[in-house]
Amino acid sequence: QQPVQSPQAVILREGEDAVINCSSSKALYSVHWYRQKHGEAPVFLMILLKGGEQKGHEKISASFNEKKQQSSLYLTASQLSYSGTYFCGRLSRSARQLTFGSGTQLTVLP
Amino acid sequence: GAVVSQHPSRVICKSGTSVKIECRSLDFQATTMFWYRQFPKQSLMLMATSNEGSKATYEQGVEKDKFLINHASLTLSTLTVTSAHPEDSSFYICSARAKKTGPYGYTFGSGTRLTVV
Repeated sequence: QQPVQSPQAVILREGEDAVINCSSSKALYSVHWYRQKHGEAPVFLMILLKGGEQKGHEKISASFNEKKQQSSLYLTASQLSYSGTYFCGRLSRSARQLTFGSGTQLTVLP
Repeated sequence: GAVVSQHPSRVICKSGTSVKIECRSLDFQATTMFWYRQFPKQSLMLMATSNEGSKATYEQGVEKDKFLINHASLTLSTLTVTSAHPEDSSFYICSARAKKTGPYGYTFGSGTRLTVV
């Protein structure tokens, strides 16, 4: 069963902030975040390996609550280039298979 | 960084024919590669795990005889869609895990848009 993301879609203006949530019914040993542009392959953003870990990537950061089996992606002062579909990913316990979340379509308008 | 090359990027085939998609790791060795399928406006669904020198592991609901996977070398995995039908039209993406990407990071091919007419 794939992780569930919310919201499914969000539209915002350039410079605004957004939060994307990822919730898993199965244990989360690590969380991946990817962004996919239309017709292209997903691009790796970051991995969170420990519960409570927060990572930053320019103006994109994420948190990971292992106990709640949740992760959130924070986009601050969004840019037009942030538009795309964001997926969280759950790694299997064997650390081999990556299951993608349901996806969140983010549109940044000028 | 780690690069995964996937070919072809687009293919149109007639119903009933077979199509082969190649996935190569260009600057690293991949003992394991993964094949995903993505329908429009949906998430990527793992189809199978390709293991070098051994049989692929298929996810539940994926037909082994229809989606043939061969991982003959440490840098090449192929997916053959046999007797393709219009419902097989989709975006197929391979991925591999490379140490260069960081711990547990995955690198993806550029994807193959398959259209069966």
